[in-house]
Amino acid sequence: DSGVTQTPKHLITATGQRVTLRCSPRSGDLSVYWYQQSLDQGLQFLIHYYNGEERAKGNILERFSAQQFPDLHSELNLSSLELGDSALYFCASSAQRGGIHEQFFGPGTRLTVL
Amino acid sequence: DAKTTQPNSMESNEEEPVHLPCNHSTISGTDYIHWYRQLPSQGPEYVIHGLTSNVNNRMASLAIAEDRKSSTLILHRATLRDAAVYYCILKTSYDKVIFGPGTSLSVIP
Repeated sequence: DSGVTQTPKHLITATGQRVTLRCSPRSGDLSVYWYQQSLDQGLQFLIHYYNGEERAKGNILERFSAQQFPDLHSELNLSSLELGDSALYFCASSAQRGGIHEQFFGPGTRLTVL
Repeated sequence: DAKTTQPNSMESNEEEPVHLPCNHSTISGTDYIHWYRQLPSQGPEYVIHGLTSNVNNRMASLAIAEDRKSSTLILHRATLRDAAVYYCILKTSYDKVIFGPGTSLSVIP
């Protein structure tokens, strides 16, 4: 158990809908990262938040957004869903910013768009 | 952005050493090299990381080329529990994370 929790574990929805994925980092960790894992694209970095502020964006679509709240939990919002958005979404946390710190991954949320 | 390349798959016999290579020829001077592994149906887990010098921990060793354009993850004695996908990752100074395609390691009893 990494100490990172993600809810829900599974989500099934229809095209055009909007969903929110939630991540609670390990106690005390200030950084939260979101990743998408699909069969054809592998693991892709989406976005990084540190202590409530957006720090870096990766391959995140404009239909997707995220935020980190004062209690440090984070939410990833996916809107106007398409079939291709079906994937595993992971969040990870680390103590601080920077390359020196290891990340702890949650168990993931499996999103299925029908 | 920098990029990493890895072999798609590798095989090892149990209790033999395994060397998993990664090329990152466009790495910048401040990018850290991380390795994570992902067991089936789980999130990735940290293995090791380094910047310039070789690193050892209880799980593995990381050998970084002098020009930093490649690195090798070394598992000293592969066990069946080491069968996983191993990712070579760059963590940049501007907080981006660049994943490699991953190497699927099979361990033969």
